[in-house]
Amino acid sequence: QSAPTQPRSVSGSPGQSVTISCTGTSGDVGGYQYVSWYQQSPGKAPKLMIFDVNKRPSGISDRFSGSKSGNTAFLTISGLQADDEADYYCSAYAGRYSGVFGGGTRLTVL
Amino acid sequence: EVQLLESGGGLVQPGGSLRLSCRGSGFIFSSYAMTWVRQAPGKGLEWVSGISGSGTNINYIDSVKGRFTTSRDNSRNTLYLQMNSLRVEDTAVYYCAKELNYYASGRGSDSWGQGTLVTVSS
Repeated sequence: QSAPTQPRSVSGSPGQSVTISCTGTSGDVGGYQYVSWYQQSPGKAPKLMIFDVNKRPSGISDRFSGSKSGNTAFLTISGLQADDEADYYCSAYAGRYSGVFGGGTRLTVL
Repeated sequence: EVQLLESGGGLVQPGGSLRLSCRGSGFIFSSYAMTWVRQAPGKGLEWVSGISGSGTNINYIDSVKGRFTTSRDNSRNTLYLQMNSLRVEDTAVYYCAKELNYYASGRGSDSWGQGTLVTVSS
């Protein structure tokens, strides 16, 4: 299966909002309510930020929100902070007990 | 506290084999599906394989089918990835991850190991 498409990079100033898109197909992003988003800082393991399209795990700030429209999912980060700077990956269930990750987006806080 | 501890990575020649292990603690291991994810140097995350809580449902990315085998021993709280016929392009940090559900990989992983580096080189 091919990876969902994410923008290679996005940027924003502290306090602003940014949105990262994740465009897949009806076989993954669009086919199930199982889209997740992960934050990864250099040298660290990924951290779950959003699951089931728009749910936050315990301890994740409500500045992070998720949504989906058709075959595209979105991660919105509001009130940008310096420590939000990281790589962000979407992930989707692709059926038959398998998953797929998007290509990743580098977020720069200006 | 949920912990996942991987081991078994290292340097291997093309065509060689390695077995990765991932021991879980702090949760009921058999109640959750598990996933292997890899990340080549400087590249993005790639879903490799997943296994249901019972071990019944398993799948792999096409590039490793027939070469890698995922299994689990719930009595030992341990997940395995047997990697045979290794290729240079399999070089990556391999992470194990605990899924949020019992049935299938790919639906969201809330805990990750620290990763183990596999280098395939002559």
